[in-house]
Amino acid sequence: EPEVTQTPSHQVTQMGQEVILRCVPISNHLYFYWYRQILGQKVEFLVSFYNNEISEKSEIFDDQFSVERPDGSNFTLKIRSTKLEDSAMYFCASSTSGMGDTQYFGPGTRLTVL
Amino acid sequence: KNEVEQSPQNLTAQEGEFITINCSYSVGISALHWLQQHPGGGIVSLFMLSSGKKKHGRLIATINIQEKHSSLHITASHPRDSAVYICAAAGGTSYGKLTFGQGTILTVHP
Repeated sequence: EPEVTQTPSHQVTQMGQEVILRCVPISNHLYFYWYRQILGQKVEFLVSFYNNEISEKSEIFDDQFSVERPDGSNFTLKIRSTKLEDSAMYFCASSTSGMGDTQYFGPGTRLTVL
Repeated sequence: KNEVEQSPQNLTAQEGEFITINCSYSVGISALHWLQQHPGGGIVSLFMLSSGKKKHGRLIATINIQEKHSSLHITASHPRDSAVYICAAAGGTSYGKLTFGQGTILTVHP
C-alpha cells in the first residue's frame, strides 16, 4: 500500500542553523500539508500546498519557514534559522483532493533544537 | 477560528468494554476526521465523515452536524486499541487544513 515517507526520522541541530525536512507524498496525491506537534501538545497546522503554491498557512508559518516541491516527488519544509521553540515532531501529509478528503500522514521527523 | 474539544482526556478500560470518545467543534466544517496516534508518534487516519455514521470493524464514528458533535465508539475493546485518539475538523472554506483536538489517551487493560 502506498505511504507517505519522511526523512530524517530525527534531526538534531543547533539554534540558528537551517534545517530541511523532507517528505515523499503518495504519488497520485495533489495536496500536501505540514503539521507539527510540540511534545505534550495538540497537532497544529502549518501550511497546505497545491499546484506548486501555498494554499493556506497558519500564524506559525512565518518568514522563517518555507516549503518547496523541487521535483515531482519530494515536498520539503525549510526552517531558515531554528529556534529552541521549533523543537517538535513535524508531520507531512498528502491527499488526492483538498477539502474534506482523507489525509495520509508520514511517520514524522522529530526536530530537536539545542 | 474553530475550536475542537475532546472528552475525556484520559480513558482507562477493561478488555471487552464499550468505549466512547466525544468531540465537539465550534464552527461549521466540511468534514470531521478521527485519527489514531501510537506511542511512536505516527498518525493513522481512521475515519473521515461529513454526515451520519461510518463503521470499520469494531470502530464506529458518528457525527451530528446540527449539534457540532461527533463520537468515536470502540466495541469489544482490546489492549491493542490502546493509543491516542484525535478528532480533527476540516474547515468549510479551506484546502483541507485540519484543526485538531487535544487527543484522548485510551488504555485498555487485559
